Amino acid sequence: AQTVTQSQPEMSVQEAETVTLSCTYDTSENNYYLFWYKQPPSRQMILVIRQEAYKQQNATENRFSVNFQKAAKSFSLKISDSQLGDTAMYFCAFATEIQGAQKLVFGQGTRLTINP
Amino acid sequence: EAQVTQNPRYLITVTGKKLTVTCSQNMNHEYMSWYRQDPGLGLRQIYYSMNVEVTDKGDVPEGYKVSRKEKRNFPLILESPSPNQTSLYFCASSLSGTLTYYEQYFGPGTRLTVT
Repeated sequence: AQTVTQSQPEMSVQEAETVTLSCTYDTSENNYYLFWYKQPPSRQMILVIRQEAYKQQNATENRFSVNFQKAAKSFSLKISDSQLGDTAMYFCAFATEIQGAQKLVFGQGTRLTINP
Repeated sequence: EAQVTQNPRYLITVTGKKLTVTCSQNMNHEYMSWYRQDPGLGLRQIYYSMNVEVTDKGDVPEGYKVSRKEKRNFPLILESPSPNQTSLYFCASSLSGTLTYYEQYFGPGTRLTVT
């Protein structure tokens, strides 16, 4: 079974600092995708960044970047120059295909607070 | 505007009173799915549908039913709600159910409270 673990239930940093959220996953699959979703107080699920497992290069989207360590099954999210609007719950997620159907598995979430 | 809509957004009900949460997408997506979100557990899949009239159980299907009579709609039915079904529910859709089209688009969520 696929599992995703986020070991940091809560984190808090000052505005403009850099923060890293941790995520590990467990799978025997070779073909999969990894995601970070942001859930602000509005509760909307917003895709922040994605990483294809077959790509060695780490994905980057503006201030958001990942450190993908395939052998270690680790997928951390780095937020640079953090902003107040980054305050949200962040979910790490893993997608693979099980019996012909895509399967999306989420971690427990990390509540990130950016302080002014 | 391409979107997934859910109704109602908030619902407070009593134990045993049947309810339906509707989900609709306007993107002609084949794949649709329901998740529940609980503190400390993240989002867990309840049911999914690969296409019209094709549905299957996710990880936590007990106490729920779904149907997919039309491509755009995927209602979630609680025949006899119980307090342990108090949760935040999300509907999501994807172009296809295969991993090739991995991106799922989420609805705004439905906060359900069962007393």
